[in-house]
Amino acid sequence: KQEVTQIPAALSVPEGENLVLNCSFTDSAIYNLQWFRQDPGKGLTSLLLIQSSQREQTSGRLNASLDKSSGRSTLYIAASQPGDSATYLCAVIPTDKLIFGTGTRLQVFP
Amino acid sequence: KAGVTQTPRYLIKTRGQQVTLSCSPISGHRSVSWYQQTPGQGLQFLFEYFSETQRNKGNFPGRFSGRQFSNSRSEMNVSTLELGDSALYLCASSGGLAGGPQETQYFGPGTRLLVL
Repeated sequence: KQEVTQIPAALSVPEGENLVLNCSFTDSAIYNLQWFRQDPGKGLTSLLLIQSSQREQTSGRLNASLDKSSGRSTLYIAASQPGDSATYLCAVIPTDKLIFGTGTRLQVFP
Repeated sequence: KAGVTQTPRYLIKTRGQQVTLSCSPISGHRSVSWYQQTPGQGLQFLFEYFSETQRNKGNFPGRFSGRQFSNSRSEMNVSTLELGDSALYLCASSGGLAGGPQETQYFGPGTRLLVL
């Protein structure tokens, strides 16, 4: 059974720091992996989707990497801003559904 | 393009009642998936519809059902509500020829259901 874990569960950093969020999964047989952010009481916003054949994807200050063999993905946020404060979720897609991680709650303070 | 919309946004029901939630996908998207989010269990897959057919189903009891219309709008129904059904219900749509979880998922704002 696929299990997805995110570390750390919570993170509080000052504005301007570069930070890394981690996502681990137990079964490497995935089709792709997607990173989302969720603001309190809101839906999910897609950030990046990495196909299983890719190693990384970049969008603005965000960079996500994928290492299927080790069952890991990282989301790198450069020069963090207070507007980045949210819960970040990774989801692996074996074939027919998204399996979500436990999430990392990020707070960036001025 | 307008995003995924869900109605209603908030709902309060009592145990034993039934509820219907609605989801309108992004124009042109034919796949709609539903997820339940609770503090204890996180986000869990309910089911996915594509071109009016249920294509995949999660591990939820038969009280949870859904359907999709020819315009790709989807409804989710929960019968005989239980306290544990209190959750944020999210729907997501995706495009592409086959759509589905393997494409980028676009989520709606969710419907928050409280069962008393």
